[in-house]
Amino acid sequence: GAVVSQHPSRVICKSGTSVKIECRSLDFQATTMFWYRQFPKQSLMLMATSNEGSKATYEQGVEKDKFLINHASLTLSTLTVTSAHPEDSSFYICSARLTGMNTEAFFGQGTRLTVV
Amino acid sequence: AQSVTQLGSHVSVSEGALVLLRCNYSSSVPPYLFWYVQYPNQGLQLLLKYTSAATLVKGINGFEAEFKKSETSFHLTKPSAHMSDAAEYFCAVSDSQAGTALIFGKGTTLSVSS
Repeated sequence: GAVVSQHPSRVICKSGTSVKIECRSLDFQATTMFWYRQFPKQSLMLMATSNEGSKATYEQGVEKDKFLINHASLTLSTLTVTSAHPEDSSFYICSARLTGMNTEAFFGQGTRLTVV
Repeated sequence: AQSVTQLGSHVSVSEGALVLLRCNYSSSVPPYLFWYVQYPNQGLQLLLKYTSAATLVKGINGFEAEFKKSETSFHLTKPSAHMSDAAEYFCAVSDSQAGTALIFGKGTTLSVSS
C-alpha cells in the first residue's frame, strides 16, 4: 500500500513558540492531504483539507491563523502550530488518499505535541 | 452530511471469542465505509473497506464486515479474538468523490483477556 510519512513523531515545545509538522507521501502524489487532531481516548477530528498549490480549507471552529497549512508540492504538506499553548497539546495525524474513486486513506504515524 | 455512530465505546471479550464491533452510518448518498485500527501512539491502519462491489467484505487479520442497507449498518466481526487484536477501532465514511476526507466515528476500544 501507499506510504505516508509524518515527522516528527514527538515534539515538546515551550508555550509561545511555533512547531512545524511535516507530512510526506512517499510513493505517490497527493494533490489533497488531510490533517486531523485526536485527543486522548477520542476520535479523529478533521481540522483541514490541504490542497496542493492553493489555500487549505479549514473546518468550522479551527483557527486558520493558528494552524498554518502549506501544501507546496504533490508530496509534502506541513502544519505549523503558531504561538503554541498547552491546550494545543494533542496527537496530530495527517492522511492522503490516492486519486480515483472510493480509495482508502493512508495515514501518517502521527505527531504527539506537548506544549509546556 | 455524512456521519457514523459506533455503539459501545468499550468492548471486552475473551481470547477465542467472537468479536462484534457495531457501526451505523447516515448518508444521503451511497456511502463508502471503512474500518481502521489504531494501536497506541500510532497512525491508523486499514482493516477493510466497502465500495459497493460486495456486501460482505473481508479484511486483514481475519476481520470482516457486512454492509446492510436496510439497517444502515456496517458491523465489524472476527470469529475468534486474539490478544493482539486489543486496540482502538474506528469506523469511517466518505462520499464517492475523490479527494474528500473520511469522517470517523468515536471509536471502540477492544480489550481481549486470556
